[in-house]
Amino acid sequence: NAGVTQTPKFRVLKTGQSMTLLCAQDMNHEYMYWYRQDPGMGLRLIHYSVGEGTTAKGEVPDGYNVSRLKKQNFLLGLESAAPSQTSVYFCASTTRDRGTGELFFGEGSRLTVL
Amino acid sequence: DAKTTQPPSMDCAEGRAANLPCNHSTISGNEYVYWYRQIHSQGPQYIIHGLKNNETNEMASLIITEDRKSSTLILPHATLRDTAVYYCIVRTPMEYGNKLVFGAGTILRVKS
Repeated sequence: NAGVTQTPKFRVLKTGQSMTLLCAQDMNHEYMYWYRQDPGMGLRLIHYSVGEGTTAKGEVPDGYNVSRLKKQNFLLGLESAAPSQTSVYFCASTTRDRGTGELFFGEGSRLTVL
Repeated sequence: DAKTTQPPSMDCAEGRAANLPCNHSTISGNEYVYWYRQIHSQGPQYIIHGLKNNETNEMASLIITEDRKSSTLILPHATLRDTAVYYCIVRTPMEYGNKLVFGAGTILRVKS
C-alpha cells in the first residue's frame, strides 16, 4: 500500500517551459487536492477534485490546470512556467465515506523555475 | 472558508505539556476543527479533529470552547520529535469539497 505518490520529486524548469506533476493514490479515495507551499508559509490550495472527471478551483488556481481522468490519478499542469511558481507542491487525498475526513499527503514535489 | 489565527511560535520544555491555541471566530455550525503538523518539509500529518466536544487520541487532546470560537491542542508530554509547525484548520463540509485551508501555523520548539 503506497498511499499517495507524487512524480517527479524534483524538477528544474526554465521560464516558459511546461510540465505535468502526477499524483497517484491507491486508497480508492474520491477526493484529491493539489497544494503549494512557499518558504515559511502554510499550504495553499490550488485545485481539487471530488471525483473522477470533476475539478474545481482552490485559493490560487491561476497558471495551473488539472485533470482527473482516472479516479486514482490527479494531474497538475503548468503550461508556461514562471519563477513565481517555484515552490513545493503537495498532493493529498481522502475518502468521501464517513470517517475522520483525514487528508493523506504525498511527500511533495520540489519545483524550481529559473 | 473560516479563517484561523495562531501564534507564530511557541517554546515548550521536553516532558511538559504543550498547549497550542487557535482562534476561529467565524466558524460555522457544521465546520470541523482539524489539527495537522508538518515536520521539516514533509507532507502534513493528521493529529486530531473535533466538532463540538473535546476529543482525545493517542497523540493529543483537543479542547473546543463552548461557543466554538477557539480551541486548544494539547500534547501531554512533549518530546523533541514534536518540534514542528502545527496547523489549526477549519474544514469545509464534504458536500462543499472537504477543503482544508491552511494558515501560517505555529512553530513549536521543544527544548531539552
